[in-house]
Formats: sequence, structure tokens, C-alpha cells
Amino acid sequence: TQLLEQSPQFLSIQEGENLTVYCNSSSVFSSLQWYRQEPGEGPVLLVTVVTGGEVKKLKRLTFQFGDARKDSSLHITAAQPGDTGLYLCAGARSYKYIFGTGTRLKVLA
Amino acid sequence: NAGVTQTPKFRVLKTGQSMTLLCAQDMNHEYMYWYRQDPGMGLRLIHYSVGEGTTAKGEVPDGYNVSRLKKQNFLLGLESAAPSQTSVYFCASSYRDIQETQYFGPGTRLLVL
Repeated sequence: TQLLEQSPQFLSIQEGENLTVYCNSSSVFSSLQWYRQEPGEGPVLLVTVVTGGEVKKLKRLTFQFGDARKDSSLHITAAQPGDTGLYLCAGARSYKYIFGTGTRLKVLA
Repeated sequence: NAGVTQTPKFRVLKTGQSMTLLCAQDMNHEYMYWYRQDPGMGLRLIHYSVGEGTTAKGEVPDGYNVSRLKKQNFLLGLESAAPSQTSVYFCASSYRDIQETQYFGPGTRLLVL
């Protein structure tokens, strides 16, 4: 059972555009993490959000945790080709992480 | 620090063969995890361990067994491989707190014919 749905699944945009990726669930998580994965490598953590309504910024990336701790979003401002990759959200519950379905982003120069 | 390492990197098995995937971490982490990644499915948790000598089932445990005899190692076994187990397998580890960073290995690509 996939508890975390990400949208969109695929996204191809031009350099300089803005985008938002969504991570939605009907379940509550104690915290939520966002990862980026490059081809042939394991995922690398970008951020952890813990409190409902929390917003964290990492350079051009803005992460938000929903008030009810059931959903999250990742917004990228002025996307660059280096942002290309697979973005995964993961919800934490009881020692385990539930991963989302992933959003594959391609930024064209 | 090598971080999280996985052995082997790539393997081809015939249906019914067995094999063991080895994950090792040198960060003194308590928690360790085995995931599989299939196209369009994200990562799915197979088994995990919250400490030496402990293991627990994840989302998709059928057909796999695990052992954590030493804190730094987490082994994933396939007793009788099936084509449905063709996937990329990732090991990860983290400190005691679930909110801590998971550090992932480079993955093992397994093809079952």
C-alpha cells in the first residue's frame, strides 16, 4: 500500500522556471523528509520537517509541512540544470520511513 | 569514513538460486534498513533493524530474510530468487532518532532470470 502520493510524476521545464512538487497522504506522520536521487546513486537527504505548518528554505528550495502533518510541498525557484533528479518524500512513523512514489524532474538549459 | 557500503554492486541470478546482500556502515548507527526500488514505485521498505540482534518486517518482506548479528552489518537474504525480485536494492542507516538523516548506500542491482 502506497501511503504517500507525489505529483507530478514527471516534470520537464526550462532553466529559470519555478515549480512545485506535492507529497500527499491520508495518514499523519511524525516528520517528513525530502530526498534527491541522482542516477546510479542512493537518495541524499535535503531536509527534515517536523512541526505542522513548518517552512524551511535551502537556497532556492522551499519546503513546507502541512498543518495536519499529512502533506508537504517542495518549491524550486529559478530551476537550474543541476536540479535535475528524482525527488522523493518520506514520512516517518514508528521507526519506519514510508517513501513517496517520486517526482522525476528534468531542467533543460 | 566509508559511510554505507553495499556488496555486490550488480548480480544476475537464475530463478531458484539464493544469495546474500551485505550492507556495512562505519558510523555507529543503531538503525538500519533495506529497501527495494522499482520504476514508478519509489522505495519500499523490506526489513529494518533498530539495533544489533533485532529485525522487523517492513512493507514487502515476503521472500526475504535478514540478520543483524553485528551492529555495523545488515544482511539481506534471498532463499529462492524469483523474477519479481528483480530490482535495485538500497541499504540505509541512521542514528537512534527516527528524525535523523538516513544515509544510503550506492545500491545493488539484481536481475533474476
